[in-house]
Amino acid sequence: QKEVEQNSGPLSVPEGAIASLNCTYSDRGSQSFFWYRQYSGKSPELIMSIYSNGDKEDGRFTAQLNKASQYVSLLIRDSQPSDSATYLCAVTRSNFGNEKLTFGTGTRLTIIP
Amino acid sequence: GAVVSQHPSWVICKSGTSVKIECRSLDFQATTMFWYRQFPKQSLMLMATSNEGSKATYEQGVEKDKFLINHASLTLSTLTVTSAHPEDSSFYICSARAGRVATEAFFGQGTRLTVV
Repeated sequence: QKEVEQNSGPLSVPEGAIASLNCTYSDRGSQSFFWYRQYSGKSPELIMSIYSNGDKEDGRFTAQLNKASQYVSLLIRDSQPSDSATYLCAVTRSNFGNEKLTFGTGTRLTIIP
Repeated sequence: GAVVSQHPSWVICKSGTSVKIECRSLDFQATTMFWYRQFPKQSLMLMATSNEGSKATYEQGVEKDKFLINHASLTLSTLTVTSAHPEDSSFYICSARAGRVATEAFFGQGTRLTVV
């Protein structure tokens, strides 16, 4: 079992709709959870972080965390063509700077105009 | 967010030569930096964890004598690919978590290495 699992996609969503991205993790000791967006040929860019159960909203993005189910998701409302990218889920056991992040393989999202 | 700067953004080198990639934290001190490699259409692969003032910690299967890491200061880590071969051609990315009690990790722009 992979430590962090994501559906590789591609996930196609019509422009203006809600895109839903999912991630599960195996380490129950995980404390911090992140979503990164990576455009083709570019490095990852942090878009959301979440640390406690529930929802966290930032603009069109909402991250959802359920530690009991070991599940974290990202919702993108009013999807735009510019949201087309690969979305990486990452988890870590601690907030210390020397603790590495474990990444999923990413979900490729395509927004259809 | 915090800024991590990586240089060069791309480099072409001849087989057998060495290439140095720099990673700088511009507005924070990073006691730890992470080096990743990414092949086309594949996910990030952590190569090593770079610790200021001490030896790097390499992931299993990564040759430490081939990928030399130096973290000489709190704002600079370097990765040197020694005796590069075409199979080393890849996208190399550094990352740092801001601060000792840190949360998010921020990435440099990445370096695309092509070995000919």
